[in-house]
Amino acid sequence: EVQLLESGGGLVQPGGSLRLSCAASGFTFSTYAMTWVRQAPGKGLEWVSAIRSGGDRMYYADSVKGRFTISRDNPKNTLYVQMNSLRAEDTAVYYCARVPGRGTKGGWLDPWGQGTLVTVSS
Amino acid sequence: QSALTQPASVSGSPGQSITISCTGTSSDVGGYNYVSWYQQYPGKAPKLMIYDVSNRPSGVSNRFSGSKSGNTASLTISGLQAEDEADYYCSSYTSSSSLYVFGTGTKVTVL
Repeated sequence: EVQLLESGGGLVQPGGSLRLSCAASGFTFSTYAMTWVRQAPGKGLEWVSAIRSGGDRMYYADSVKGRFTISRDNPKNTLYVQMNSLRAEDTAVYYCARVPGRGTKGGWLDPWGQGTLVTVSS
Repeated sequence: QSALTQPASVSGSPGQSITISCTGTSSDVGGYNYVSWYQQYPGKAPKLMIYDVSNRPSGVSNRFSGSKSGNTASLTISGLQAEDEADYYCSSYTSSSSLYVFGTGTKVTVL
């Protein structure tokens, strides 16, 4: 069974940092692009970042560019996002998702992890 | 990159059909056949329902179907059932600096 399990969320002060992890199992992680999507409380989905299967190319939403860094460790089957200079508006549930099909050239997101909550507040 | 436009809510009686629209631009919905739809129950992760405009993943009911015309994509749920009550989001690949854009989301209510 394909599974994605996020961890690392929590409460952090504005300006602080946090690293989220997404542990993958049930598929050949190194052959899939991966992505992060977030959802602020009571709001819609917002794409955050994506990374190619080989980790050679990363993409970011304008709202996080320069503050977030996506990475992956293929031997460990794990996806990461390092979040720096956090703001109150970064408060959200963060989901990781696999990108089948054509990967970062328009692939769909399936499946999604259960999400991890990040709260930025003093 | 602005979010794709969806109606805030759509409702229907059991057995009826409903359609959710998703309007973008020629840089996203209109420019690529890379529209997908996701179902989300409260407190749960989104689930893929349709990909590449009209393809249904294995295990998704054939009551769900997708289509596209110009800059607007649509999700139709036929034979509406109580279990279809959820939030639905469209998404599209985009040629802008952001790779993907999501819709504003639609709450489906079964009367």
